[in-house]
Amino acid sequence: QVQVQQWGAGLLKPSETLSLTCAVYGGSFSGYYWSWIRQPPGKGLEWIGEINHSGSTNYNPSLKSRVTISVDTSKRQFFLIMSPVTAADSAVYYCARYPVTDTSPPLWGQGTLVTVSS
Amino acid sequence: ETVLTQSPGALSLSPGERATLSCRASQSVRSNYLAWYQQKPGLAPRLLIYGASSRATGIPDRFSGTGSGTDFTLTISRLEPEDFAVYYCQQYGSSPLTFGGGTKVEIK
Repeated sequence: QVQVQQWGAGLLKPSETLSLTCAVYGGSFSGYYWSWIRQPPGKGLEWIGEINHSGSTNYNPSLKSRVTISVDTSKRQFFLIMSPVTAADSAVYYCARYPVTDTSPPLWGQGTLVTVSS
Repeated sequence: ETVLTQSPGALSLSPGERATLSCRASQSVRSNYLAWYQQKPGLAPRLLIYGASSRATGIPDRFSGTGSGTDFTLTISRLEPEDFAVYYCQQYGSSPLTFGGGTKVEIK
């Protein structure tokens, strides 16, 4: 059974760097796009960006200048870096798996609450 | 970018009634890669439907998804008390992946 688990720092100050890791357990690492998604308190869901196993990335244009997504296939992990952060970046962050061509379902991590406050 | 418009924004219904939620895309969704999620306060979104019409593991059959191309529908055949929540659609067929603004199903 495939699982994705995520972790990272939960409390940041404005201008600092957000860093999150998502690990994939079981299943194939290729054949999917691996995404980051966030949800500010009381608001809707926002897609941040994605990466595949070969390192090809796509980003939300509104966040692209501050975001880097990378992958380490040997560890079956992918990463989100966002810098600099502001209070508006406070949100629950999720990692997720999406198929490229097959019919498998999306799969989400458990979420990480990130709070940006001075 | 594929814009997803969900309607209505809110739906007031009684337990036992039928709920019909709409998600309209600004362009055709590749391979009907359209998902529906349910979210309750303080919890992560829960996948209900993927590929427009496939129920996720453990989802009751009162939830069904239909549609293709640009028009998609989530139907809850008979509302149970635990179904009152916010529902989001998402397309994952093309980048950037996008979400609808949500439909809140509330108790009448």
